[in-house]
Formats: sequence, C-alpha cells, structure tokens
Amino acid sequence: SQQGEEDPQALSIQEGENATMNCSYKTSINNLQWYRQNSGRGLVHLILIRSNEREKHSGRLRVTLDTSKKSSSLLITASRAADTASYFCATVATNAGNNRKLIWGLGTSLAVNP
Amino acid sequence: NAGVTQTPKFQVLKTGQSMTLQCAQDMNHNSMYWYRQDPGMGLRLIYYSASEGTTDKGEVPNGYNVSRLNKREFSLRLESAAPSQTSVYFCASSETGIGGYTFGSGTRLTVV
Repeated sequence: SQQGEEDPQALSIQEGENATMNCSYKTSINNLQWYRQNSGRGLVHLILIRSNEREKHSGRLRVTLDTSKKSSSLLITASRAADTASYFCATVATNAGNNRKLIWGLGTSLAVNP
Repeated sequence: NAGVTQTPKFQVLKTGQSMTLQCAQDMNHNSMYWYRQDPGMGLRLIYYSASEGTTDKGEVPNGYNVSRLNKREFSLRLESAAPSQTSVYFCASSETGIGGYTFGSGTRLTVV
C-alpha cells in the first residue's frame, strides 16, 4: 500500500533554480526518507529525517518534516541538469515492530533544463 | 564496489517459463527486499526478509517465491511466468530495516 503522496507529480525548471517537492503521509512515523532514481537505474538514498527532527541538510538538499501536518518537503537548491531524476519519499511506521519495511510514495519527476 | 548486485540485468521469458533472479549484498545487512516497479504504480514490495532465516510476504507476492540463502543472498523465483509479471525488479538491503536502503541496478523482465 502506498502511504506517501508526492506533489507535484512532475516538475520542470531551469538550471540554477530551486526545486521543491512535497510528500504527505498517513500514519505516525519513525522516520521519513528521500530517494533519487535516475532513468533506468536503481534508487539512491539521499537523506533520512527522524520524527523528532524538523529540518536536515545535506549539501544542496534541505528536508523539512512537519509531523503535525504529516508532510515533508525536499528542496534542491541551485539545481543542475544532473539533478534530473525521479524523487521518492518513503516512511517507516512508528509501530513497524518486526515488519520493518518502507512505505513508498509514487514519486515526483524532476526535469532540469540547461 | 560495495553494494547490491542483481543478475541478470535483462531477461525475456515466454509465458509459463520459470526463472530465478539473484541478489547479493556485501554490506552485512540484515534485511533484504524484492520490489517491482511499474509505470504509474511506484515501488511495490513483493517479499522481504527482515533477517537471515525469515521471509515475509509484501503487497504483491502472488506468483513469486523467495529464498534467503544466507545473510548475503536473497533470490526471487517466478515458477510460471505470466505477461502481468513484465516489470522492472529491484532488490534492496538495509542494515536494520528502518534506515536507508541500498538498491541494486534492477532486472528488466519481459514475459511474452
């Protein structure tokens, strides 16, 4: 079952602009993760934010988490053509117990035009 | 390079044929996963293994079987392939199951 919903489904920007993608989820979470998938490739883990964190940075990436709204955003600053990819959010439920698996959204397709 | 290795990368099967997709990780991860990815459907979990010696069904297990051969290897078997199993299959591993996942590069399977 899909828990996360990314918004927008597709985004097209010019190189140098910032890209913002949003993710909403339904249940209480242990953490939320963002992944990137280049065309024809496997997914790559970008960043993990825990439920008690509100913001996290990694290079040009900034992730925020609002547990009261059950939402997260991924900001890519100063985008490059190489950032063109699909971006997915995924969550681990608080009550995962031994069923430790990610619940995935459907992804945002980002195109960065040179 | 450390990571998750999947074989084969491409495969074409005829309806009714069987095959096994292989996956191996060298990061000493406890948990391993098999997903399929179809256009507009996102990633759907087929089976997973939270730890060596255990396997559990995911969202879409019908038509598949798995074997956690040892801590490193987790194989996915299609006993009688159907056109509906045409997809891209990804194997992934995680140290704990709640941290970041490492993905293989995928197997593109076509069933005709």
